[in-house]
Amino acid sequence: DIQMTQSPSTLSASVGDRVTITCRASQSISSWLAWYQQKPGKAPKLLIYKASSLESGVPSRFSGSGSGTEFTLTISSLQPDDFATYYCLHYNSYPWTFGQGTKVEIK
Amino acid sequence: VQLVESGGGVVQPGRSLRLSCAASGFTFSTYVMHWVRQAPGKGLEWVAVIWYDGSNKYYADSVKGRFTISRDNSKNTLYLQTNSLRAEDTAMYYCAREKSIVGALDYWGQGTLVTVSS
Repeated sequence: DIQMTQSPSTLSASVGDRVTITCRASQSISSWLAWYQQKPGKAPKLLIYKASSLESGVPSRFSGSGSGTEFTLTISSLQPDDFATYYCLHYNSYPWTFGQGTKVEIK
Repeated sequence: VQLVESGGGVVQPGRSLRLSCAASGFTFSTYVMHWVRQAPGKGLEWVAVIWYDGSNKYYADSVKGRFTISRDNSKNTLYLQTNSLRAEDTAMYYCAREKSIVGALDYWGQGTLVTVSS
């Protein structure tokens, strides 16, 4: 099974900061990676699919990059609505696996 | 697009529950569907997938042999039969639709909570 290692687990940042979250796969997953945002008590929301494609309706300050085993989610200028937990998901092969999550907190 | 889960509740260890997910707003029979769960205060865990016509099913190792995913395309409904429940199965269970062609999960329900406790 493919393991996803996400870092950091917690990130403290201020409004306007540039934020980067990383996911590393235990083997190549090509570009079959998605990023999700989850707020407390809510279902996850798709931000990025196929490593770098922005889901419709998601602000352009979110971007994804990478392929193979190394992936990043970047928020170019953190907004108050962005304080949440972020997860990566590989969907290269079954079983799919999520990263452990990154909680973005207010500094 | 709307996905509405139901069927959760409090159940004793070793017992069973059937979760349902009613889909609307899209052509259910043409989409691959998934279940994902989240234990209280923990991360997301992928549970199972079923192809659009039910021809293929895959499971996480943690539920293989105990959970069964199924669907009724005539009723636009996805199911998860959960048997031999354990305390570690306590979680919010979400159904989710797989995005056509490019994959990933684009629409999620609000979840149904399963609590396994004596």
